[in-house]
Amino acid sequence: QQPVQSPQAVILREGEDAVINCSSSKALYSVHWYRQKHGEAPVFLMILLKGGEQKGHEKISASFNEKKQQSSLYLTASQLSYSGTYFCGTEIYNTGKLIFGQGTTLQVKP
Amino acid sequence: EADIYQTPRYLVIGTGKKITLECSQTMGHDKMYWYQQDPGMELHLIHYSYGVNSTEKGDLSSESTVSRIRTEHFPLTLESARPSHTSQYLCASSGYRDRDQPQHFGDGTRLSIL
Repeated sequence: QQPVQSPQAVILREGEDAVINCSSSKALYSVHWYRQKHGEAPVFLMILLKGGEQKGHEKISASFNEKKQQSSLYLTASQLSYSGTYFCGTEIYNTGKLIFGQGTTLQVKP
Repeated sequence: EADIYQTPRYLVIGTGKKITLECSQTMGHDKMYWYQQDPGMELHLIHYSYGVNSTEKGDLSSESTVSRIRTEHFPLTLESARPSHTSQYLCASSGYRDRDQPQHFGDGTRLSIL
């Protein structure tokens, strides 16, 4: 039931792009994306709801393919501040309860 | 910024002690959650609440208990701490009525049982 994230880790140079995927074996109501820096609380990035929408937030955007039960997070022209661990949280029913993936560690180097 | 507070931030304590981790939010959120997270690992839901006097266990079995007597307060209690309880505990809250409701996290409590 836990969603699977890929890749597990990414190392980028500043300005490069990255894609993080989140796949579920269950039909999804929504997908949440969070970023957590070492020693800090997870910070909300965006929510994608059932309906296959795509959302954008500065240079970070995401898509949700309901049929494939998959969401992807797109990081373009990466900055040093993008470093951290990215988690997707999936919601099967409209309960607010999330099941989080194992996380993808992103390191952006100068 | 979300207003959700956890205390203490760090706690080192001996085996067998009773521990209460505090979590309060000032946003009037109906839903509140407790997660357990080991270093570098994913978040596991251990308790959640839909509102006052409503609590349920999460997907990860935990020996801890919770209470929700007031909307803003969601404390977690360990009656007798053991070394296996060593972890980080994160509290979160979210609104109830709207669809697009993210979870807002507190800074967490890092618990170490000796």
